[in-house]
Amino acid sequence: EAGVTQFPSHSVIEKGQTVTLRCDPISGHDNLYWYRRVMGKEIKFLLHFVKESKQDESGMPNNRFLAERTGGTYSTLKVQPAELEDSGVYFCASSQVDYDRLAGGKLGDTQYFGPGTRLTVL
Amino acid sequence: AQSVTQPDIHITVSEGASLELRCNYSYGATPYLFWYVQSPGQGLQLLLKYFSGDTLVQGIKGFEAEFKRSQSSFNLRKPSVHWSDAAEYFCAVEFSNSGYALNFGKGTSLLVTP
Repeated sequence: EAGVTQFPSHSVIEKGQTVTLRCDPISGHDNLYWYRRVMGKEIKFLLHFVKESKQDESGMPNNRFLAERTGGTYSTLKVQPAELEDSGVYFCASSQVDYDRLAGGKLGDTQYFGPGTRLTVL
Repeated sequence: AQSVTQPDIHITVSEGASLELRCNYSYGATPYLFWYVQSPGQGLQLLLKYFSGDTLVQGIKGFEAEFKRSQSSFNLRKPSVHWSDAAEYFCAVEFSNSGYALNFGKGTSLLVTP
């Protein structure tokens, strides 16, 4: 079974340009997450999709970031316009939906991560 | 704010020696606990997890971790380290009262010497 894949693996852009990152989750996983690691800092949550719906976008830093998941399969994360502080590694993760948890249950959620996209803004 | 602390940024051990990586989280709601490893050029790989039950959990690659609620800790251990264990290790916590987001520590970079 294929794991989570991300494209591109690296991207170098100029400040002010636009970049789109793509994530393909594990087949059958309805949960999809985006995280970011800025150099020297911890990995931070950005947002969470359940199928095509945004369940939690509390970690999105500002309105220059737009995440979409049309059709509930792959997801894109667009940064427009990119700033220097957006440099870092962007990770995508996926997991199976636990509807008991969505309803307020207590089971945990195991997230499987992709290799990440290293974004450098010059 | 809920937080996860990995107090050791870098650790160096000799091959064959035992290893313990520390992880503490801020006291609060029921935690779901994870350890991930990132080898150079690779993504984050799940080593082990704790949701409930036996507080000593076994993972892949010979790793284990013990959840100690009284100490808010989830330390990772391995009795004998191999050179291939050199990587960065991340402790992550999902708090049951704050959605599904994982809260990560800053990571511990492990160097294994011959």
